Amino acid sequence: EDQVTQSPEALRLQEGESSSLNCSYTVSGLRGLFWYRQDPGKGPEFLFTLYSAGEEKEKERLKATLTKKESFLHITAPKPEDSATYLCAVVGSSNTGKLIFGQGTTLQVKP
Amino acid sequence: NAGVTQTPKFQVLKTGQSMTLQCAQDMNHNSMYWYRQDPGMGLRLIYYSASEGTTDKGEVPNGYNVSRLNKREFSLRLESAAPSQTSVYFCASSEYGPPYEQYFGPGTRLTVT
Repeated sequence: EDQVTQSPEALRLQEGESSSLNCSYTVSGLRGLFWYRQDPGKGPEFLFTLYSAGEEKEKERLKATLTKKESFLHITAPKPEDSATYLCAVVGSSNTGKLIFGQGTTLQVKP
Repeated sequence: NAGVTQTPKFQVLKTGQSMTLQCAQDMNHNSMYWYRQDPGMGLRLIYYSASEGTTDKGEVPNGYNVSRLNKREFSLRLESAAPSQTSVYFCASSEYGPPYEQYFGPGTRLTVT
């Protein structure tokens, strides 16, 4: 069964304090791993898609990386506006059409 | 472009009542989805439509029906609401099915008493 586990559940950082969020996955035939950002009371906002191990993508202070078992979302010198819940999702070859989401990591960045 | 829009934003129902959640997208996407989000459970797929004229069950379809009205619109119906259906419902769309990225609407917060 395809599964996604995100850690930690919650993370508090000081502004400028870099860190990483983890997404561990079990899926047969990974077809894509997705990162989303969700602000309170809003829908998830697409950030990145990673397709194969070794791939990396960057956007402003965020960098997503992928291995065969996990993905990391690195946040460099975060700002308070980076505070949000970050969701990871996967789609595998046995479950086409269906994204399997993790429960998310809630990030709080204090000034 | 409005992206994905959903109506209503909030709804309170009594057990046994019915309602339809509406979703529309203006990105000319082929695939559309309905999810529910519950604390501690994450986002779970209810139904999806890979293309106009097709619908398929997701992870938690019981108690729901869907209609892909046309390419733009995908509605979710609760025929007889139950307290277990209290949740936040999100509609999403993508150009094609996964692994194309999905774009989400703002959500409908539904409470069933």
